[in-house]
Amino acid sequence: KAGVTQTPRYLIKTRGQQVTLSCSPISGHRSVSWYQQTPGQGLQFLFEYFSETQRNKGNFPGRFSGRQFSNSRSEMNVSTLELGDSALYLCASSLIPSSYEQYFGPGTRLTVT
Amino acid sequence: DAKTTQPTSMDCAEGRAANLPCNHSTISGNEYVYWYRQIHSQGPQYIIHGLKNNETNEMASLIITEDRKSSTLILPHATLRDTAVYYCIVRVPNTGNQFYFGTGTSLTVIP
Repeated sequence: KAGVTQTPRYLIKTRGQQVTLSCSPISGHRSVSWYQQTPGQGLQFLFEYFSETQRNKGNFPGRFSGRQFSNSRSEMNVSTLELGDSALYLCASSLIPSSYEQYFGPGTRLTVT
Repeated sequence: DAKTTQPTSMDCAEGRAANLPCNHSTISGNEYVYWYRQIHSQGPQYIIHGLKNNETNEMASLIITEDRKSSTLILPHATLRDTAVYYCIVRVPNTGNQFYFGTGTSLTVIP
């Protein structure tokens, strides 16, 4: 079956703009998590959604938000972009929360100029 | 914060076993040890996990010490495609799907 898909794969934005990233989980998976990966900070957890509800949130400012739709697809939004938001944003899906095995997508590479 | 310590990098000859260590001295009784790897330009990939017994699957073996303060991931016959960053993760209980990825070990398999 198809893996986790993320769109777009690459994105260039200007400081101050906002951006929306999309993630389609594996069919049947209802839990979606988002991570930010940068060379300096590594992989950091952003938030997790299950059944359209945010279950957990990492230590990121309120400019980072997300949502999940009834079909389990998820979006994350970053408002008022800063240079430091340049990163690889990864989405992971699993059947249920707390599952030991998460399936990661290829990520969206965001560059803020 | 990550609760694990791993060497920054390691090399391994192709065809030999790769042994990747991880220290998790503050692990609590109900926390599992997970291993993921990330091949360049891809998302992380699940490898194996365990609580206190040694585990083996088609990809690797996981050896956890009796006091559970450290573990070793073993790739029995490393190939060039095993070159990746390997993350050892101790999952904090009751935090849902939240995994704390540390800096990992960059494994280079040498031909």
